[in-house]
Amino acid sequence: EVQLVESGGGLVQPGGSLRLSCAASGFTFSDHYMDWVRQAPGKGLEWVARTRNKANSYTTEYAASVKGRFTISRDDSKNSLYLQMNTLKTEDTAVYYCVRGYSSSSPSFDYWGQGTLVTVSS
Amino acid sequence: EIVLTQSPGTLSLSPGERATLSCRASQSVSSSYLAWYQQKPGQAPRLLIYGASSRATGIPDRFSGSGSGTDFTLTISRLEPEDFAVYYCQQYGSSRGITFGQGTRLEIK
Repeated sequence: EVQLVESGGGLVQPGGSLRLSCAASGFTFSDHYMDWVRQAPGKGLEWVARTRNKANSYTTEYAASVKGRFTISRDDSKNSLYLQMNTLKTEDTAVYYCVRGYSSSSPSFDYWGQGTLVTVSS
Repeated sequence: EIVLTQSPGTLSLSPGERATLSCRASQSVSSSYLAWYQQKPGQAPRLLIYGASSRATGIPDRFSGSGSGTDFTLTISRLEPEDFAVYYCQQYGSSRGITFGQGTRLEIK
């Protein structure tokens, strides 16, 4: 069974930093791209960042709203995905979802974690 | 970036009726990279349709997707009580980023 479990959310002041983690199990993590998607309270979905797999040189992409402040990374030996968030703004307040991305054998965005809440407030 | 506009914003229907949800893109989207999601309160989104018309694993056949270019449609042939939720379309093939529509709320009439 595919499982994605996020952790690391919490309350942080504007300008602060936070690191989210996602523990993956039930599939070959190293085969997949991985993404972070967020959802502000009462709002829609916003894609945040992507890391490709080793076969695609672990290249990364970011939404314009977070580029230069957030860094996505992965550790295939630990089946883990990370999101380092710096210079946080109040508008970064959201539930952050870890999402299984593309592989040659499955569609993108087919499994989502339960989400972790990040609140940026003074 | 490609902007996706969903309509209507809210759709009020009764169980047993047919639902038609629209997603219009600001520029052409490859059909291979258009998806639909369902989200219920307090839950993560669930993938329904990918590649514009392929059902994800375990999705009932009352859900179908169609369209190409800039106009895509999600159809629920006969609404069940558990289908009332928020639906999002998404494009993930653009080199200028991945975007979601703003959502359509499907509510019980």
